[in-house]
Amino acid sequence: GAVVSQHPSRVICKSGTSVKIECRSLDFQATTMFWYRQFPKQSLMLMATSNEGSKATYEQGVEKDKFLINHASLTLSTLTVTSAHPEDSSFYICSAGRDIYTEAFFGQGTRLTVV
Amino acid sequence: DAKTTQPTSMDCAEGRAANLPCNHSTISGNEYVYWYRQIHSQGPQYIIHGLKNNETNEMASLIITEDRKSSTLILPHATLRDTAVYYCFKGGSQGNLIFGKGTKLSVKP
Repeated sequence: GAVVSQHPSRVICKSGTSVKIECRSLDFQATTMFWYRQFPKQSLMLMATSNEGSKATYEQGVEKDKFLINHASLTLSTLTVTSAHPEDSSFYICSAGRDIYTEAFFGQGTRLTVV
Repeated sequence: DAKTTQPTSMDCAEGRAANLPCNHSTISGNEYVYWYRQIHSQGPQYIIHGLKNNETNEMASLIITEDRKSSTLILPHATLRDTAVYYCFKGGSQGNLIFGKGTKLSVKP
């Protein structure tokens, strides 16, 4: 099956710093990727849709200036959490698929802890 | 509306079949039924999908009622590693994933 790889799997950063998370589709090209956030004991919440070559689309309530998304190639999308604060600590997950009509493949997730 | 209805939790004995129901009464004619699961602290994993006919793959079987308003995911011989939260979607392709609470399946020895 298709593989989506996410890096890093775990990161601890100091409050006020920025963290970049990478999401790669390893064996297919993805014009669209999705970023989710999951707080403890809650379900995944869609943050944004990453579009190759164009601006990301953010869900209501998600600050686009805080969560910078770059989808510069057909196999890589990055999420940068800028000026991270402890409340940004969460599990961030990306997904991609061969096209928007077929199943999604998820990365293994990134556990971000802001101290 | 991408919402479906699933029981909050279920238990299953190891080695027995786990039958997870899902109600998707508002499904439209061209919407597929998709199932994913999330094992603790991992990204979700695609399991299976179907339109009208029952489907089977190496992970599970999917039984869809004739009126397509509900379906059942069957794990024929559940193992401890099948303990996870299972999500049912109508639509369910990557562009349409709005996660609800799913069913927390606990497989017990």
